[in-house]
Amino acid sequence: AQSVTQPDIHITVSEGASLELRCNYSYGATPYLFWYVQSPGQGLQLLLKYFSGDTLVQGIKGFEAEFKRSQSSFNLRKPSVHWSDAAEYFCAVGDGYGQNFVFGPGTRLSVLP
Amino acid sequence: DTGVSQDPRHKITKRGQNVTFRCDPISEHNRLYWYRQTLGQGPEFLTYFQNEAQLEKSRLLSDRFSAERPKGSFSTLEIQRTEQGDSAMYLCASSLGQASYNEQFFGPGTRLTVL
Repeated sequence: AQSVTQPDIHITVSEGASLELRCNYSYGATPYLFWYVQSPGQGLQLLLKYFSGDTLVQGIKGFEAEFKRSQSSFNLRKPSVHWSDAAEYFCAVGDGYGQNFVFGPGTRLSVLP
Repeated sequence: DTGVSQDPRHKITKRGQNVTFRCDPISEHNRLYWYRQTLGQGPEFLTYFQNEAQLEKSRLLSDRFSAERPKGSFSTLEIQRTEQGDSAMYLCASSLGQASYNEQFFGPGTRLTVL
């Protein structure tokens, strides 16, 4: 069974600074990887996903993520953070066929003005 | 398309009572998922439907939990004899297609508090 770890529980950055949120997964085959964002009172929204091909994936809201098989990582990045990016971010891994879609524990992002 | 909706948004109940939640997916979506999310954790898979068929259930889904999707449209999740440990956010998601890697669209959730 797959698993996901997000080593950082809470990250604080200043507005305009760059951001990297870490995600490590465990899965025996080629994983399907996702990043979701959850803002207070709102449902989870998909930021980006990786299935195959180019290991650098572009998403919505200026986010990107890079799949590194050798490190079992799928870190999320943004070059310049906006105050509206403050939210909870979840990395998830799926096997693509059944229900085995596993979320990490999340990283809460705070943005300082 | 109004997205995935869930009702109620909040539910407070006493231990031992039964509760039922409803999820209305995006209309053409054939897959519907239920998740549970506790504070400080990511969503945990409970069960999913392909049209009206319930194809898989997590071991987290005890006998007190039952879910239905009678006509392949809306779904209900019932918890019988609620316990304080059932307090959580219950999320519903829907997707189009045959695989879990298709984008899942999430509803706002139902927050359950068991006193």
